[in-house]
Amino acid sequence: AQSVAQPEDQVNVAEGNPLTVKCTYSVSGNPYLFWYVQYPNRGLQFLLKYITGDNLVKGSYGFEAEFNKSQTSFHLKKPSALVSDSALYFCAGAPPGQNFVFGPGTRLSVLP
Amino acid sequence: DGGITQSPKYLFRKEGQNVTLSCEQNLNHDAMYWYRQDPGQGLRLIYYSQIVNDFQKGDIAEGYSVSREKKESFPLTVTSAQKNPTAFYLCASNDRRGSETQYFGPGTRLLVL
Repeated sequence: AQSVAQPEDQVNVAEGNPLTVKCTYSVSGNPYLFWYVQYPNRGLQFLLKYITGDNLVKGSYGFEAEFNKSQTSFHLKKPSALVSDSALYFCAGAPPGQNFVFGPGTRLSVLP
Repeated sequence: DGGITQSPKYLFRKEGQNVTLSCEQNLNHDAMYWYRQDPGQGLRLIYYSQIVNDFQKGDIAEGYSVSREKKESFPLTVTSAQKNPTAFYLCASNDRRGSETQYFGPGTRLLVL
């Protein structure tokens, strides 16, 4: 079965420090991989996606993600966290031609 | 939240009542989706539609029904058969199923009276 794991329920980081939100996947084929962010009582906002090519993907709001095929990981990163980055982050994978599989989400808290 | 609107923002359901959640998109997307979000469980797919007048069950379709009479509209009905309907419901769309980025509406929170 296809699955996406986010091993940390909660990540805490101080403002100005780098942040990493982890994602590993078990998705067949060469999946497309996505990161979304959700603020309270809002829909999901698209941050970035990996299709093919460069393993480092740059997205919105200064976020980037690193694709590692050997480790089946797609970790989200940002060099310097802001308090406004505090939100719920979802990783998702899409096997070619199939529906998205979402991870359970990781709550990021950036402390001032 | 792009060109996808959901209404109402909050919805209250009484025992034995069917309620309908609205989802409209102006992105000219072919595919539309309904997800249910519960705390700590991520998003679970209820129904999806790749084309007008066609739709398929997702992972948790029991107690729900949909229609797709127009490309831009994909309403979800939560029937009385859904015994635990309290959740946050999200509608999404993309150009085609699978690889294309899904864009989400702002969500509807359904509560049971």
